[in-house]
Amino acid sequence: AQKITQTQPGMFVQEKEAVTLDCTYDTSDPSYGLFWYKQPSSGEMIFLIYQGSYDQQNATEGRYSLNFQKARKSANLVISASQLGDSAMYFCAVGSGNTGKLIFGQGTTLQVKP
Amino acid sequence: EPEVTQTPSHQVTQMGQEVILRCVPISNHLYFYWYRQILGQKVEFLVSFYNNEISEKSEIFDDQFSVERPDGSNFTLKIRSTKLEDSAMYFCASSEVRGAVGADGYTFGSGTRLTVV
Repeated sequence: AQKITQTQPGMFVQEKEAVTLDCTYDTSDPSYGLFWYKQPSSGEMIFLIYQGSYDQQNATEGRYSLNFQKARKSANLVISASQLGDSAMYFCAVGSGNTGKLIFGQGTTLQVKP
Repeated sequence: EPEVTQTPSHQVTQMGQEVILRCVPISNHLYFYWYRQILGQKVEFLVSFYNNEISEKSEIFDDQFSVERPDGSNFTLKIRSTKLEDSAMYFCASSEVRGAVGADGYTFGSGTRLTVV
């Protein structure tokens, strides 16, 4: 079985500062993927960044980077230089390398203060 | 960039009525999924579908739910007799390969917000 834990229900960050959103996971699949999605108030799921379980380097996509610590089963999202438009719900998900199913965490609401 | 298209974006239905949510996956994708998100809660897996049959389903996906790929382009979720607790956002997704091990090949639609009154 797979499980995702996001321990921060809500976070605040000052505009232009960096913020880290925590995510820990548990899976028995030897091959898996870790995903982060942003969900603004409009409701759509916006893909941010992906990390494969066999990837040696931490993933980066623009202002987003993923701090992947496989031994600790953590996949924290780092957003650098926060912008007001980053205010949203953020979901971490683990995907099975076998079935394709994604299991999501409870989400973290991020509010960026001007 | 290829998209997964969902229609309608919003649907209001009376309790007990049947509802069909529609999705057009990305054309070269072979694996299809439905997820549900009750307001304020996490996204939950409902079902995966490949080669015209269900690959996996969750406990939520009971006999009231069914999925179909009627014509090679659409992928539908039917709820036979809606209940108030079926009110949620329903997301369709499609992927190129079986496992969720590649970001480029796993795409979500923008969702259908279903309200049961």
